[in-house]
Amino acid sequence: DVKVTQSSRYLVKRTGEKVFLECVQDMDHENMFWYRQDPGLGLRLIYFSYDVKMKEKGDIPEGYSVSREKKERFSLILESASTNQTSMYLCASSFHGGGGEKLFFGSGTQLSVL
Amino acid sequence: AQSVTQLGSHVSVSEGALVLLRCNYSSSVPPYLFWYVQYPNQGLQLLLKYTSAATLVKGINGFEAEFKKSETSFHLTKPSAHMSDAAEYFCAVSDQGGKLIFGQGTELSVKP
Repeated sequence: DVKVTQSSRYLVKRTGEKVFLECVQDMDHENMFWYRQDPGLGLRLIYFSYDVKMKEKGDIPEGYSVSREKKERFSLILESASTNQTSMYLCASSFHGGGGEKLFFGSGTQLSVL
Repeated sequence: AQSVTQLGSHVSVSEGALVLLRCNYSSSVPPYLFWYVQYPNQGLQLLLKYTSAATLVKGINGFEAEFKKSETSFHLTKPSAHMSDAAEYFCAVSDQGGKLIFGQGTELSVKP
């Protein structure tokens, strides 16, 4: 079974802290994605990557950055956490084809910024 | 730009009744369309996807969806709801690059 593993299920941080959310996949997928999920807003794409050391902005990249030094690992970084970044963060991965590929999701990290 | 609109943030049905969850999309190119389900405290899992092979798509757990280009719709149905179907359902559209744009989600409740 494909596994997408997010390092923490729950995380509590203080305003202004630097926060790292880690995601690892074990299926040699080229594509990796970070979404945030908020009630009534669905999932919104923060950043994605089609290859190692490559990154693209999604719909809401402000306040976030990413790192992809290895194919299996995609990290989301909150440079200076703010309360409006309290959310559920979901990582996903897929093969890179012509479109229509299935995304595999991790279980999510619920981040609370106090 | 691609977008998805799910009509109704909450839908409640009785056990055994028809489930209908509505999704309309906007896309300038032939779309890939998906329905995902999220059970409480879990990540999302794929229910079904449309990739232009057939307009009626069958998925897991008895769900199916019909692609209607003229209506730009991809509604999800199940003939008979089960208590275990209670979850949040997301419609999504994808471009050739593979990134998915999701709708706002519809929470399905099933009453005994």
